[in-house]
Amino acid sequence: GQSLEQPSEVTAVEGAIVQINCTYQTSGFYGLSWYQQHDGGAPTFLSYNALDGLEETGRFSSFLSRSDSYGYLLLQELQMKDSASYFCAANQGGKLIFGQGTELSVKP
Amino acid sequence: DVKVTQSSRYLVKRTGEKVFLECVQDMDHENMFWYRQDPGLGLRLIYFSYDVKMKEKGDIPEGYSVSREKKERFSLILESASTNQTSMYLCASSRDNYEQYFGPGTRLTVT
Repeated sequence: GQSLEQPSEVTAVEGAIVQINCTYQTSGFYGLSWYQQHDGGAPTFLSYNALDGLEETGRFSSFLSRSDSYGYLLLQELQMKDSASYFCAANQGGKLIFGQGTELSVKP
Repeated sequence: DVKVTQSSRYLVKRTGEKVFLECVQDMDHENMFWYRQDPGLGLRLIYFSYDVKMKEKGDIPEGYSVSREKKERFSLILESASTNQTSMYLCASSRDNYEQYFGPGTRLTVT
């Protein structure tokens, strides 16, 4: 079957660094996307890895290892506004398959 | 600024009713998608379309149909609403599949 696994919840303190892991098992894999969704809001695109390695966008970085079927989202200098759900999504070429989401709580 | 709009934020319908959810994008994107989101289940793809009058089944198409008569508009139809279709429905559009732009969602309650 096709699935993506990510932790359901993560808690961290303001200013810290947190890593959200995602392992995937899909056919026709082209890359891994990450989305952020605040409570009551729409998902918004954060980053995409088509190739192995690290992609950096400001405080957020995303990593992909195709050989390990694994990726992660790294959030640095955590702020209270980073409290949200984060979804990894596998690109199958015509569509995305989403993980179940990780709820990140940032504490003061 | 890119924009995806959905016809309603909240909708309450009765079991057996035919329900239309509309989505419009102003970015001239070829690809459009309909998802439902339920707690603990993430986003599940219902249908998608990569061109006008084209449609593809997603992972959970049963009980739903779609229509794409114009490039900017993608409609989701519940032929006969049932209580297990109570959910948040999200529409998205994209040029490149991996970067999708989502609408605000429609929270549908079927009683």
